[in-house]
Amino acid sequence: LAKTTQPISMDSYEGQEVNITCSHNNIATNDYITWYQQFPSQGPRFIIQGYKTKVTNEVASLFIPADRKSSTLSLPRVSLSDTAVYYCLVGDAEIKAAGNKLTFGGGTRVLVKP
Amino acid sequence: EAQVTQNPRYLITVTGKKLTVTCSQNMNHEYMSWYRQDPGLGLRQIYYSMNVEVTDKGDVPEGYKVSRKEKRNFPLILESPSPNQTSLYFCASSLPRTRNSPLHFGNGTRLTVT
Repeated sequence: LAKTTQPISMDSYEGQEVNITCSHNNIATNDYITWYQQFPSQGPRFIIQGYKTKVTNEVASLFIPADRKSSTLSLPRVSLSDTAVYYCLVGDAEIKAAGNKLTFGGGTRVLVKP
Repeated sequence: EAQVTQNPRYLITVTGKKLTVTCSQNMNHEYMSWYRQDPGLGLRQIYYSMNVEVTDKGDVPEGYKVSRKEKRNFPLILESPSPNQTSLYFCASSLPRTRNSPLHFGNGTRLTVT
């Protein structure tokens, strides 16, 4: 299983850049890295996904080094509404007949202060 | 609008009284899964389904049942609920996992078993 390790929490201030690193030492060749955002009492929401190098969309960037054993989610110029829990997810590379498990790590609680 | 719909949003029941939480998606997704979320434990997968009539256990399947008779529906069944199943439950769906496609989550069902 490609388990993930993230910091439990991070504090930041409005307008700053927030970088969250996720370790996934056992990532498999075919696995993508996906990040989700979760607000209280809501389901997680897809933010960004990547396989290698750098991916950028309208809300975040994802940096993946060549060895792919870690990844960093970058949130530019955060606002109060970015306060949430962020999950890094790497799929289980073992694809069994009935499919594969997906194991979420504990997530990183980001608090953005005014 | 593409969405995953769970019902009910809130449910209070008593020990031993069978209940079903429904989940429906309108995106023609093959993959569906159920998670429970508890403080300090993150998201843990209960069951998943790769397609109609194909289901498998996740990390915490004890005390739960599922069925996948139609592609759009994936109900979660608690035959004899117990207080330790008090939790926030999320249903999710995606395209086939082999494509590493992002998960789409419902808004959750908060279950209390007394």
